[in-house]
Order: sequence, then structure tokens, then C-alpha cells
Amino acid sequence: SQQGEEDPQALSIQEGENATMNCSYKTSINNLQWYRQNSGRGLVHLILIRSNEREKHSGRLRVTLDTSKKSSSLLITASRAADTASYFCATDVYNQGGKLIFGQGTELSVKP
Amino acid sequence: DVKVTQSSRYLVKRTGEKVFLECVQDMDHENMFWYRQDPGLGLRLIYFSYDVKMKEKGDIPEGYSVSREKKERFSLILESASTNQTSMYLCASSLVQERQQYFGPGTRLTVT
Repeated sequence: SQQGEEDPQALSIQEGENATMNCSYKTSINNLQWYRQNSGRGLVHLILIRSNEREKHSGRLRVTLDTSKKSSSLLITASRAADTASYFCATDVYNQGGKLIFGQGTELSVKP
Repeated sequence: DVKVTQSSRYLVKRTGEKVFLECVQDMDHENMFWYRQDPGLGLRLIYFSYDVKMKEKGDIPEGYSVSREKKERFSLILESASTNQTSMYLCASSLVQERQQYFGPGTRLTVT
């Protein structure tokens, strides 16, 4: 399996519900980042969590990091139709000079 | 706001043509990256650059070359385009100390 595997591959929820996406990785990291991509567009950075942090919040986003399990989760609370997008985790691997390794992404669909 | 621009949103080329994809960033970032994105495969790193005239191979450099003559500009070159290079190409840049990457809107290249 690859560094930065995401689960689930696709998620469909109703507006107002919470959405949780998970990411697992294999090697030591400096930080883990989450990005969002609207259909056919570039990626937009959402949040970065450092290897010595366990939880981070940004608006309706909550990210957790468990380095012992090599996993992270992204929670979007009170989802909106505008949150419909693909979400990617990316690991900034230790000693790789800033290269990121991206997961394959979770496709989130929020129905109004 | 950081702006990363790519020369074309859509491009159609014939097999065997030489193709240039241009990327420009306006925030004096040291690092620049070229990825390709394919369904089911996520983002894969083609080449990256830490500084002017410096380049390093990513995970899938075969069939590609790059050029970085000025800090703000990073070009991806397909020496002889082939149909298996039909893909979405994404450029990104980052500051060494910040680690998050800023992406351009992408170029959807079709090789016929």
C-alpha cells in the first residue's frame, strides 16, 4: 500500500451532517497536510498539523494526528453543499526536503 | 495572496510533438513542483526544483524534462508527446520554511 492512503474513497452525506475522512501513512513525517480539490481545478491547502501536534482546528475543520498509529483524520462539521470536492492528505516525509506524498483522495458529495 | 499560474487550461497536441507547459509563481518561493494527476492514481511527482537551475527527479520523470532559468518560472517539457501522457498537470510552489504548497489551476493535456 502507498504512503498516504485514504479512507473512504467516496462519501455521500446530507447537508448539516458531519464528514470524517481518514488517512494512513507509513514513514516518519515532519507534518501532515490536507488539501481540497474542486472538480477539474488545482488543489487548495486546508490545514497543516505538525508531527508533535495531536489536534488542530480551523473553522469547521478538525484534524487529528496519531503518530503511534501513523494515521490522521479530517472532520468537517455541519457540512454544506459547497463542501462537495475531493480531499487529499499529504505527508511531508522526514528528510525529503519538502516533497509531499499525496493520498488518492476521498470524494465527498454533500447533498442539499 | 500567492498566485500560481499555468500557461494553458486545456491543450491538445499530436503524438510526437514537443510540448511546453509553463508555470509562474509571484511570491518568491524557492521550491517548485510538477505533478500529474490521473484517476485512481492520485497526484504523482514528476520533477521538482529547489532553486534556479536546480532540478531533481520525482517518482515518474521518464519522458519529461524541466527548466528553471528564473526563480519564478518552472517549465515542464514533453520531448515527444505520447498518448499515455494525456493527463491533468499541476504545478505547485512552496517556501522552504512554510512547507505547504500552493497550486496552479492545472493544465488538462490531451495527446492524440
